[in-house]
Amino acid sequence: KNQVEQSPQSLIILEGKNCTLQCNYTVSPFSNLRWYKQDTGRGPVSLTIMTFSENTKSNGRYTATLDADTKQSSLHITASQLSDSASYICVVREGGSNYQLIWGAGTKLIIKP
Amino acid sequence: EAGVAQSPRYKIIEKRQSVAFWCNPISGHATLYWYQQILGQGPKLLIQFQNNGVVDDSQLPKDRFSAERLKGVDSTLKIQPAKLEDSAVYLCASSSRGTSGTEQYFGPGTRLTVT
Repeated sequence: KNQVEQSPQSLIILEGKNCTLQCNYTVSPFSNLRWYKQDTGRGPVSLTIMTFSENTKSNGRYTATLDADTKQSSLHITASQLSDSASYICVVREGGSNYQLIWGAGTKLIIKP
Repeated sequence: EAGVAQSPRYKIIEKRQSVAFWCNPISGHATLYWYQQILGQGPKLLIQFQNNGVVDDSQLPKDRFSAERLKGVDSTLKIQPAKLEDSAVYLCASSSRGTSGTEQYFGPGTRLTVT
């Protein structure tokens, strides 16, 4: 069964610290993987998209990695800010003719001053 | 460029009542999606439109949920009658195409509470 699992479920860190969120998937065939940021009361906003051949992609203080062999991805946040408090959702798109999106449950990140 | 608009933002109804949500996608976006997001979970696709035709409604509970996209622009999602388990945020998204690399842009959602 195609699944996307994220860890941890929630995380609290101090402002200025770094953190890493994990995403493991069993989706096959694989097309791409996207990380979304969802602020409370808002819709998700795309941070990065990665295809099979990409290992690392950065968007400002956000860096996503992808290991297609082990089917793992991570999102690293550097020098966290209060505005980084949000849920971060990993989404994997199936390949082939189906290309359905398989959504993770998200990691809720809280940045404390 | 204006984003995806949704209304209302909040709705509280009693079980067995009916409710409707409205979505206006980004201008020119051919593909429109409705998602249900239960608290603590990722969004679940309910229905996908390409212009005014349905591409995927496999997870739409058709006995109580219905959606339409007249003229290939605005869309409405209706629940009739509502159940307690329908309490969730209903997100609308749009994209320029429905293909694999195309980014979806989400509206702010409608938070539904069924009592």
